[in-house]
Amino acid sequence: QQQVKQSPQSLIVQKGGISIINCAYENTAFDYFPWYQQFPGKGPALLIAIRPDVSEKKEGRFTISFNKSAKQFSLHIMDSQPGDSATYFCAARGGGSQGNLIFGKGTKLSVKP
Amino acid sequence: ETGVTQTPRHLVMGMTNKKSLKCEQHLGHNAMYWYKQSAKKPLELMFVYSLEERVENNSVPSRFSPECPNSSHLFLHLHTLQPEDSALYLCASSQGGVGNTEAFFGQGTRLTVV
Repeated sequence: QQQVKQSPQSLIVQKGGISIINCAYENTAFDYFPWYQQFPGKGPALLIAIRPDVSEKKEGRFTISFNKSAKQFSLHIMDSQPGDSATYFCAARGGGSQGNLIFGKGTKLSVKP
Repeated sequence: ETGVTQTPRHLVMGMTNKKSLKCEQHLGHNAMYWYKQSAKKPLELMFVYSLEERVENNSVPSRFSPECPNSSHLFLHLHTLQPEDSALYLCASSQGGVGNTEAFFGQGTRLTVV
């Protein structure tokens, strides 16, 4: 119940295309859903986050879609650029007394020029 | 830079060695974390410190020993490690109560156990 399942494991998209990464969870106590971006040799950095009281959040080319009833959320990267090539992690917070982040396994995105 | 600094960036150690990883945060946060990142596995939370008190230990083997002398510094002491402990070890910090805000990560220490 503490798991966050992320797919796909890897993704190749052409420049200008849309990248879509999906995550699913079981624990309805989760109350905060961030996405992190990690470049090689760097630690993960917060990209965008959403709370379950909204169905969509958009920041520039990045959009989170959230489906509370299905317990799923996804990251959409519009007009994908080679500079977006990185590993993306979804996460969920809550479900325990300390409310720690539970991470998905990550998706390695490659955007081809 | 995220305001969380980890040293060293790379470490190679034998199974009988003792070494320590250091993390320092310059953000005024009151919670600090150690994560383990292995290939093709989720980020694994190892330890959580809130206000310098350990609040969580996720069944981590005793060969990993954390220390938090103050709210800005976090150490991970290593001894008699195994090759499967080779991974990227990430430190993170947050503010406003454990898990209540964005976690800021350091760049990690790439550990290789030989």
